[in-house]
Amino acid sequence: DADVTQTPRNRITKTGKRIMLECSQTKGHDRMYWYRQDPGLGLRLIYYSFDVKDINKGEISDGYSVSRQAQAKFSLSLESAIPNQTALYFCATGPSTGIQPQHFGDGTRLSIL
Amino acid sequence: AQKITQTQPGMFVQEKEAVTLDCTYDTSDPSYGLFWYKQPSSGEMIFLIYQGSYDQQNATEGRYSLNFQKARKSANLVISASQLGDSAMYFCANGGFKTIFGAGTRLFVKA
Repeated sequence: DADVTQTPRNRITKTGKRIMLECSQTKGHDRMYWYRQDPGLGLRLIYYSFDVKDINKGEISDGYSVSRQAQAKFSLSLESAIPNQTALYFCATGPSTGIQPQHFGDGTRLSIL
Repeated sequence: AQKITQTQPGMFVQEKEAVTLDCTYDTSDPSYGLFWYKQPSSGEMIFLIYQGSYDQQNATEGRYSLNFQKARKSANLVISASQLGDSAMYFCANGGFKTIFGAGTRLFVKA
């Protein structure tokens, strides 16, 4: 089983719809992150959370919200989806000690028509 | 502000040859780490190698090595003996409690 699981893996939806992307992890990490990837732009940070009571905005948080339901669960919501939110979304986790590589889910391909 | 620059949008290399992917960084943190990730066409992000800012030696992991030049703020990835399976996007990242990614370099390995 994957250490970091994202659901759904693919989603096609219409403008204006509310969408939730879910992430769960079995790594036992405190830190969780949501990124979006667009061609030519690398990965950009949307939100991050260092524990259940800690939520922080990343560089591109407008139009998104998150919920940290438990140490192992971190969901990303698009309240009213728009076409320029079409992207590949990644959830990642990381330990709270030291500078360590992040562990990524397999990504969610989101298309908004 | 932290920044990662990868100036090579695309690179070609002949199979079995070595290739260097460039990465420069900018940070004001006294302690930091540089990471390289591989993203094959299937989309997943795979961690390759890590270099700590205070590490005395350049990191190596199998066919991957990191040419770390702190004074130049560069952390180039060297892949030796390229294989067809190395064809992918490669991202350099500066890690701290937040990780900043570069735009990536797409590597094509020719048979």
